[in-house]
Amino acid sequence: GDSVTQMEGPVTLSEEAFLTINCTYTATGYPSLFWYVQYPGEGLQLLLKATKADDKGSNKGFEATYRKETTSFHLEKGSVQVSDSAVYFCALRSARQLTFGSGTQLTVLP
Amino acid sequence: DTAVSQTPKYLVTQMGNDKSIKCEQNLGHDTMYWYKQDSKKFLKIMFSYNNKELIINETVPNRFSPKSPDKAHLNLHINSLELGDSAVYFCASSPGGDHEQYFGPGTRLTVT
Repeated sequence: GDSVTQMEGPVTLSEEAFLTINCTYTATGYPSLFWYVQYPGEGLQLLLKATKADDKGSNKGFEATYRKETTSFHLEKGSVQVSDSAVYFCALRSARQLTFGSGTQLTVLP
Repeated sequence: DTAVSQTPKYLVTQMGNDKSIKCEQNLGHDTMYWYKQDSKKFLKIMFSYNNKELIINETVPNRFSPKSPDKAHLNLHINSLELGDSAVYFCASSPGGDHEQYFGPGTRLTVT
């Protein structure tokens, strides 16, 4: 079946550091890919998405590129802020449902 | 003007009790979902309804029963609660297709 593998956390960075959270997937066909973010005590919010190979999703300084050849959708941000501290989930959509990765806890220190 | 709302936000109950969690969306979406998030933040889909019809029913105990009285509501009823049911339950809705899902704020269920 479909699956998503994320780098394990927690990840702790200093403010203004570069962020990469790795995500790879296994799926039949060409699923849509998503990054969701969950701030403390809240539900998940869509951060960005890509629906086909080589698409780049971007939002709030975060970016991820749909790489079919490496089945990856790594999340990057050039300069993180304290307010980016949250849990980040990679997900793929197939068969009318989302399959989530295990989540990566990010803490940004001032 | 909350898009996806859940009640209650917190639910503490004893083993063996029956409880319900309610979900409502005012986005006009056709599809609604229930997810369970465990203590390690792992998210797993439980159910999905499209226009009041069950379309996804993952392997969950029969003690869990979703009910969709109309397109805007999807409630989750849990019978004979067990310690392992303690988790955060999220409701979500979507217009379908490749559109994103909109999540509610979650209901933290604690079974003692």
